[in-house]
Amino acid sequence: GENVEQHPSTLSVQEGDSAVIKCTYSDSASNYFPWYKQELGKRPQLIIDIRSNVGEKKDQRIAVTLNKTAKHFSLHITETQPEDSAVYFCAASKGSSYKLIFGSGTRLLVRP
Amino acid sequence: DTAVSQTPKYLVTQMGNDKSIKCEQNLGHDTMYWYKQDSKKFLKIMFSYNNKELIINETVPNRFSPKSPDKAHLNLHINSLELGDSAVYFCASSPGPAGGYTFGSGTRLTVV
Repeated sequence: GENVEQHPSTLSVQEGDSAVIKCTYSDSASNYFPWYKQELGKRPQLIIDIRSNVGEKKDQRIAVTLNKTAKHFSLHITETQPEDSAVYFCAASKGSSYKLIFGSGTRLLVRP
Repeated sequence: DTAVSQTPKYLVTQMGNDKSIKCEQNLGHDTMYWYKQDSKKFLKIMFSYNNKELIINETVPNRFSPKSPDKAHLNLHINSLELGDSAVYFCASSPGPAGGYTFGSGTRLTVV
C-alpha cells in the first residue's frame, strides 16, 4: 500500500533561521500533497497544499516544493518564529482516492 | 461557528465499557472521516463515509462501528473498550477526493 516517509522526526532551529521538512511517497499515482500543522493539544490544520501539476507553491513564509520524478516533496519555512513551533505532518493522496496517507510528523522547535 | 465539532472532548472510561463519539460538520462537505492519533502522534485512518455510504474501512477491530445518519454527521461507537484504544480520535471532513481535510478538535479517550 501507499507509504509516506517524513524526516526529520525532530528539528530545532534558532528564531529567524529557515526550517526544511522532507517527505517521500511510494505511489507514483499520488497527485495531492497537503501539509498540516498541529499545535500542542490542538487539531491538525491545513497550512499549504500542492498538486502534481505544480512544482512549487508559496504562501508568505511557507513554501512547498514537489519533485515527481524523485517522489518527494518538502516544506520550507523561512524567518521562523516561536509560534511556528508545532508538529508538522505531510500527507499524500491519489486520483479519486479519498484517503490521505500521513507521514509520521516532525516536531519543530523554534528557539527564541 | 465551529466547522467540524466533536463531542465529548475528553472521555475517561473503564475497560469493557461501550462508548460513543459524535461528529458534526457544517461545511457542506460530502465526505467525513475518523482518524486515530496514537501517543507517538501518528495519524491513521479508520473509516470514511461519502454521502452516508461507507467508502473506507481500514483494518480496525469490529468493536469499532461508525454510523452516518446524514452527510453532516458521523458517529463512532466502540464496544468492549480495551486499554489499547486509548488515543485521540479525530473526525474530519473534505469536499471530495484529493481535497484538504478540516479536522475536528479531537476526543481524548482514556481507558483505565
